[in-house]
Parts: sequence; C-alpha cells; structure tokens
Amino acid sequence: GENVEQHPSTLSVQEGDSAVIKCTYSDSASNYFPWYKQELGKGPQLIIDIRSNVGEKKDQRIAVTLNKTAKHFSLHITETQPEDSAVYFCAATYNNNDMRFGAGTRLTVKP
Amino acid sequence: DAGVTQSPTHLIKTRGQQVTLRCSPKSGHDTVSWYQQALGQGPQFIFQYYEEEERQRGNFPDRFSGHQFPNYSSELNVNALLLGDSALYLCASSFPSTDEKLFFGSGTQLSVL
Repeated sequence: GENVEQHPSTLSVQEGDSAVIKCTYSDSASNYFPWYKQELGKGPQLIIDIRSNVGEKKDQRIAVTLNKTAKHFSLHITETQPEDSAVYFCAATYNNNDMRFGAGTRLTVKP
Repeated sequence: DAGVTQSPTHLIKTRGQQVTLRCSPKSGHDTVSWYQQALGQGPQFIFQYYEEEERQRGNFPDRFSGHQFPNYSSELNVNALLLGDSALYLCASSFPSTDEKLFFGSGTQLSVL
C-alpha cells in the first residue's frame, strides 16, 4: 500500500550524541522525501528534504540519506542539543499531492 | 512575513454538530492543503485546494468539505461530527513551483463531546 513506516517511535539520547531515525516507503512514492519537526502546540516545520536524484543532503547538524534500492531514507542529527527534543515525522508524496506521513518519533535529548 | 494562520485555535463541539475551520496561507502561496492529526499519530491528508477547486482528496468521507476563496484563504467544513473527528486539524500552504514544500499552521484543536 501507500504507506510510510517510521522507526523508532521513541528515542532518548544524551546531549552531544547523534540521533538516527529511519523510514521506509512503498513503490509508488514520488521522488520527494521531507522531514518535519513538531514541537508541542505547534504545527510541523520542514527541517530538511531530499529528492530521489540525490543520495545525501546536509544542513549544518542535520543530514538526510536516501537509499532508493532499499526504499528507505534516514534523518541524522549530530551533536544533539536539548532544543532538538520534539516529534519528528518523515513523509513521502503519492499521487502528486497526497503527502503521507510516518507515525512520528519522539526524540528526547537529555542535558 | 506572516506564516500560515489558522482560526480558531481550539474548539469544542458535540456529536452531530457542524464545524468550520479557517486558514490563511503564507504570503505568496496559492495552494492550501488540510490534514487531520490524531493524538500520537502523523498528519493524514484530507484534501488540497488550488484555484478555488479541490484538486486532490485523501480517504475521508463526504462529511469533510472545503472551500478556497479568491484571496487563497480556505475553509474546512465537517458535518455530522463524530467523536472520532476529535483531532488537531492542520492547514498547510505551498506554491505551485515548489508545490511539495508544505508550510504548516499551528492547527485547530477540535474536541467532539
């Protein structure tokens, strides 16, 4: 089906450590894969995205990797800080405009 | 530069009632999408409006309807409310040339009692 699966559902790391969140998608997904961060009481905020013609993209402490063969993509956060604590969602677009989200990962960064 | 704004922020209704939620897109955006986010889950696509017409629809019943105005703002209407409609309703705007980049509002928290 047209689903995006996300793991883990919760992740706790020590400040300064790295955090990795993984998602898989089905065949019919388009070539666009964004990651969103949602803080309490706010809407999701786009933090990084990647297209299928690129294998990796970096923006300061955040990077996303894409494995088209295995149909999975991952979010990597290095040197985590307490303000990185939030719920992170991966997503993939189906049928042009139907963006499907994973179930989310609650990241806690302990000071 | 104003981002996506939604109103109201919170709403309490009873079963069977009707509700209207409102959204103003980010400046320069002309496409509006609506999502439903149940507690502890990811957002689910309801529908998208472009040029005042519903362009695409997710797997939601006809009780969910919408409208887009000439100024690109949008409304989401839900009729015959069910307890299961309780959720955070998110509006996201985008611009056709970068269509896939969605900018979300803070949402309307709807509680159906």
